[in-house]
Amino acid sequence: DTGVSQDPRHKITKRGQNVTFRCDPISEHNRLYWYRQTLGQGPEFLTYFQNEAQLEKSRLLSDRFSAERPKGSFSTLEIQRTEQGDSAMYLCASSGGVYSNQPQHFGDGTRLSIL
Amino acid sequence: DQQVKQNSPSLSVQEGRISILNCDYTNSMFDYFLWYKKYPAEGPTFLISISSIKDKNEDGRFTVFLNKSAKHLSLHIVPSQPGDSAVYFCAIRDAGGTSYGKLTFGQGTILTVHP
Repeated sequence: DTGVSQDPRHKITKRGQNVTFRCDPISEHNRLYWYRQTLGQGPEFLTYFQNEAQLEKSRLLSDRFSAERPKGSFSTLEIQRTEQGDSAMYLCASSGGVYSNQPQHFGDGTRLSIL
Repeated sequence: DQQVKQNSPSLSVQEGRISILNCDYTNSMFDYFLWYKKYPAEGPTFLISISSIKDKNEDGRFTVFLNKSAKHLSLHIVPSQPGDSAVYFCAIRDAGGTSYGKLTFGQGTILTVHP
């Protein structure tokens, strides 16, 4: 399967703990996006990378959140000192080319539950 | 300041009939409009898109219409099939600057197609 891969699929943790999610994009895609989806809402943009450069961060991304994409391949999203409000589905998407008209392809997400 | 709205949380249609899903937007700095379909426990899957310079795009049973003066987007599915039952999200893609490629999603419409 050559789609976007996310790991883990589910994460349950206690409030105050740190968590890290991984996303492996489609191999030839240079743009990688993170979104967050809560119940009854559409995905909300968090941040994106073009190659290894993080080009934009949403105001939703507090200082407890950090994302990296070393070497422009896989990406990690870390949440420090998790809070109840962080419970959500975290989605990763990738697309190819700088001005490509190709749509973003999504992974199946990581569902985070904070106890 | 929700920029994309899907005002119908749900839609129920008989198999073989037409399904019409609607989406309204408030900003004009977008270059592409997209529809995604989402099944439970899976990430959104790209369905069809339309450029901001067109008013119609067709792909098999799916047709997307864009009315720029009304800032309205619709997806027609004809004929509807039970396998089309899913959550449908419309999304608009930022046209330029550092936000290029970022998607803004509506809240989604749950489509149920009855046999």
